[in-house]
Amino acid sequence: NAGVTQTPKFQVLKTGQSMTLQCAQDMNHEYMSWYRQDPGMGLRLIHYSVGAGITDQGEVPNGYNVSRSTTEDFPLRLLSAAPSQTSVYFCASRTGRWDNQPQHFGDGTRLSIL
Amino acid sequence: KNEVEQSPQNLTAQEGEFITINCSYSVGISALHWLQQHPGGGIVSLFMLSSGKKKHGRLIATINIQEKHSSLHITASHPRDSAVYICAVRSWRAGGGADGLTFGKGTHLIIQP
Repeated sequence: NAGVTQTPKFQVLKTGQSMTLQCAQDMNHEYMSWYRQDPGMGLRLIHYSVGAGITDQGEVPNGYNVSRSTTEDFPLRLLSAAPSQTSVYFCASRTGRWDNQPQHFGDGTRLSIL
Repeated sequence: KNEVEQSPQNLTAQEGEFITINCSYSVGISALHWLQQHPGGGIVSLFMLSSGKKKHGRLIATINIQEKHSSLHITASHPRDSAVYICAVRSWRAGGGADGLTFGKGTHLIIQP
């Protein structure tokens, strides 16, 4: 039972570098989301998708891109990393269009931008 | 904007004590989630409720829609319950296409042996 798998678990980047955080789920969930978690703040939604080919912005989308070419995968791209993007990133998924299903979270990616 | 406030921010208790964590929110919601974040960082969904009360093992979650308040209780607390407990709500304003949960900052719980 893999659930939601995030890679890498840790990453250090230099300012201006680009990278992709990977997220995959094997539960055939329609909804997938990316959150960031910063000290002293609640999780904040970056981007989300309600199905393959459909994405939309969340609360803090600037500096990030997403795509959803398959149901299983939802990668998050940092185009030009900035120190303000140092954070812990969580991918989550759930089934159904109604909010009566729990979210399943990955283990997180700790990202440091120097 | 929906605000989600949790209290206390930090809680240290002795093994066996009854624990209560509170969550208040400011607008009408369709569902409230309680999540547990382990020291290693993983997040697990504990409960999702829109009314009444739910129980799972030693954990009990209640919600009062009229007062916009929810509580998470832990009976016979144990050191393995040490974690951050997070409240999250989905407001009625979020449409079917939006998956916008608003999260509280979390309650850091330590249970000492």
